[in-house]
Amino acid sequence: DAGITQSPRHKVTETGTPVTLRCHQTENHRYMYWYRQDPGHGLRLIHYSYGVKDTDKGEVSDGYSVSRSKTEDFLLTLESATSSQTSVYFCAISELDRVNEQYFGPGTRLTVT
Amino acid sequence: GQQVMQIPQYQHVQEGEDFTTYCNSSTTLSNIQWYKQRPGGHPVFLIQLVKSGEVKKQKRLTFQFGEAKKNSSLHITATQTTDVGTYFCAATKAAGNKLTFGGGTRVLVKP
Repeated sequence: DAGITQSPRHKVTETGTPVTLRCHQTENHRYMYWYRQDPGHGLRLIHYSYGVKDTDKGEVSDGYSVSRSKTEDFLLTLESATSSQTSVYFCAISELDRVNEQYFGPGTRLTVT
Repeated sequence: GQQVMQIPQYQHVQEGEDFTTYCNSSTTLSNIQWYKQRPGGHPVFLIQLVKSGEVKKQKRLTFQFGEAKKNSSLHITATQTTDVGTYFCAATKAAGNKLTFGGGTRVLVKP
């Protein structure tokens, strides 16, 4: 498996609180992604990064923000968590010349009560 | 937006039998990827198809990209219990664009 870690692996939080999820890679890959996975929806792209401080929105970006200050770290922030953001969040990475060959982290299970 | 549909949503297979799962799009795709996710695990990249009509094999798995580049299939022969999991296709309309994942086919194997 690629060197990707996510923290925390599990989190329970209350509605209205901010939450930050961290993705850390040791592969020096340029592209990093945040997906959410919900039953019946497969994986949906939230935000992605194509370099340090270079990010763009995905399919379901409302209510989420991201930051990438170093190549190895990509942070996902839920500004004010809602119950609809209860999900499993996956980080992924890919090389510049093989952007669609993505390697996923172990996931973070987030529950918003 | 781009939609990628996978059928069936669930596939119950007797161990040793073959099965096929399909991925369909209403628009022409630049390329298509297949991923496998074991229960409780994370998606793992299997293969990428780029050319019209392309066929690739990985042991008992055969992947095909349609001639019109609007559909793809994954065929597994002699299913084993290790094949259990959810198989996702993912596609882009343009090279280097963002991936859109299908809803997945969840495969259950009966020993």
